Amino acid sequence: NAGVTQTPKFQVLKTGQSMTLQCAQDMNHNSMYWYRQDPGMGLRLIYYSASEGTTDKGEVPNGYNVSRLNKREFSLRLESAAPSQTSVYFCASSVGIWDRGIPSTDTQYFGPGTRLTVL
Amino acid sequence: GDSVTQMEGPVTLSEEAFLTINCTYTATGYPSLFWYVQYPGEGLQLLLKATKADDKGSNKGFEATYRKETTSFHLEKGSVQVSDSAVYFCALRGFQGAQKLVFGQGTRLTINP
Repeated sequence: NAGVTQTPKFQVLKTGQSMTLQCAQDMNHNSMYWYRQDPGMGLRLIYYSASEGTTDKGEVPNGYNVSRLNKREFSLRLESAAPSQTSVYFCASSVGIWDRGIPSTDTQYFGPGTRLTVL
Repeated sequence: GDSVTQMEGPVTLSEEAFLTINCTYTATGYPSLFWYVQYPGEGLQLLLKATKADDKGSNKGFEATYRKETTSFHLEKGSVQVSDSAVYFCALRGFQGAQKLVFGQGTRLTINP
């Protein structure tokens, strides 16, 4: 199993350019997530998709859009890149089991990351 | 809101030394607690977790105990190896926060032979 895969691994953009980061998982997970990692700040949640067909904002959604294309794929789009979006982006997925309205403690599995630089 | 605070890094130790990385949290209700590890150039991997008070998570010689009275989840290992060099993240998932994880800032650990 490949687990969680992300493309591209590296990307350099100019301010104002757009791009889409791709993420796919082959574990039949219901939930998927996008995080950004900045030095000294840990990971912060951008958007997540609890299940196919739903998406919700996380802690830092401004400047991003997402699409849950199907159960396997969850993409992150930057419409007009800014230098403040220079970061490492991680996709993650989890089984996403809910039991009587309470989320389970299922593990999130992370992809290898995309290092994005905006000049 | 929920938050996680980790001890400042970087931490540098000699091989076979005892390791403690402190983690404290603020959350309402009964969060689940996690330690993730990130090796150079890789994504995060779950190291261990605990889902209720007094639970002890353990894996690869690492341990952490969920202490509700002190709101802590400190990571320990009795004898570290060079291969343990990585960045370690403490995280929580709130009881009512869907499946969203809240991460600490990470602690970079370097083990010298």
